[in-house]
Amino acid sequence: QKEVEQNSGPLSVPEGAIASLNCTYSDRGSQSFFWYRQYSGKSPELIMSIYSNGDKEDGRFTAQLNKASQYVSLLIRDSQPSDSATYLCAVNRAGKLIFGQGTELSVKP
Amino acid sequence: SQTIHQWPATLVQPVGSPLSLECTVEGTSNPNLYWYRQAAGRGLQLLFYSVGIGQISSEVPQNLSASRPQDRQFILSSKKLLLSDSGFYLCAWSGVRGRGSNTEAFFGQGTRLTVV
Repeated sequence: QKEVEQNSGPLSVPEGAIASLNCTYSDRGSQSFFWYRQYSGKSPELIMSIYSNGDKEDGRFTAQLNKASQYVSLLIRDSQPSDSATYLCAVNRAGKLIFGQGTELSVKP
Repeated sequence: SQTIHQWPATLVQPVGSPLSLECTVEGTSNPNLYWYRQAAGRGLQLLFYSVGIGQISSEVPQNLSASRPQDRQFILSSKKLLLSDSGFYLCAWSGVRGRGSNTEAFFGQGTRLTVV
């Protein structure tokens, strides 16, 4: 079992729709959770961090954490073509930051 | 504010040649430092991480090594490159949040290494 798992996609949504990205992790001791966006050929950039169970909203982005289910998700409302990128879930475990394989999102005009 | 510098941006090296990639962080002290490698179309593979000077943890047996000679300097090296060492190398730093938990990590621009 991989430490951090994501569906590789591609996930295709129409412009203006909600994109839902999911991530599961294996270590119950993980305490910090992050979502990154990576455009092709570029380095990852941080979108959201979440540390407690529940929802955290920042503009069009909402991160959701459920530690009991070991599940993290990212919702993107009113998706735009500029949101087309690979989204990486990352989980902190004992000082190490472990990434999932990423989900490719394509937003169609 | 904190910044992270990584160089060079691109590198083409022959098989068997040595490698040295350098990463420096400004504006913070005692950061956690990371080296990742990303193969084309794949996720980030953690290669090394460091919680302090001279403290290096290796995640994957490989042809690479890392050193942290100063608090905010992290170096990735190889004595002899292999074709399989090609990839996108990323340096990152994070703060410490307490109880073994980190703050978010921030990445350098990356180095695209092609071994020929």
